[in-house]
Amino acid sequence: DAGVIQSPRHEVTEMGQEVTLRCKPISGHDYLFWYRQTMMRGLELLIYFNNNVPIDDSGMPEDRFSAKMPNASFSTLKIQPSEPRDSAVYFCASSVRGTAYEQYFGPGTRLTVT
Amino acid sequence: GENVEQHPSTLSVQEGDSAVIKCTYSDSASNYFPWYKQELGKGPQLIIDIRSNVGEKKDQRIAVTLNKTAKHFSLHITETQPEDSAVYFCAARGVDSSYKLIFGSGTRLLVRP
Repeated sequence: DAGVIQSPRHEVTEMGQEVTLRCKPISGHDYLFWYRQTMMRGLELLIYFNNNVPIDDSGMPEDRFSAKMPNASFSTLKIQPSEPRDSAVYFCASSVRGTAYEQYFGPGTRLTVT
Repeated sequence: GENVEQHPSTLSVQEGDSAVIKCTYSDSASNYFPWYKQELGKGPQLIIDIRSNVGEKKDQRIAVTLNKTAKHFSLHITETQPEDSAVYFCAARGVDSSYKLIFGSGTRLLVRP
């Protein structure tokens, strides 16, 4: 069974550009989480969804960040406009009702904003 | 909100020795404590977890212990192997949001052959 799929794996963009990160959760999982990992702040939860509905977005740093989940098999995290301080590794994770504490992470997207 | 502290930040052991990583949490209502292993260039991988109604859990060479009174939990790896080298993260479930995990800062484990 395929795990969580993220694309792209690497993204390099210039400051001010729009960036879209994509995630496909494990089939049958109804929780989806977006995390950001940096050396300074570690692993931080940005937002999570249940059944495609955002439940907690308190970790979203500012209005430049937005996340959507149009269906059970796809989610996006968008940054517009991007800034150098957004450079980080962004992870998507998913879990399933009944074991929703057990989160399974994707390989991540390394974002570099120059 | 929940706060998780993890020690040490780096740990170097000889192959075959044991390794212990410790975490403390702040919210006494937290009830779920997973451990993740992250290899270079990969996402964190769940390796073991424990719930607050259990004091210890083992899975082959790894074990986790929980002391609710002291609000700390530990990861124990016995008979370490070079492939155990990675960054390990502890986490606790934050009670302000049902499925929100608060992560420790990580421990870089190096197993010397």
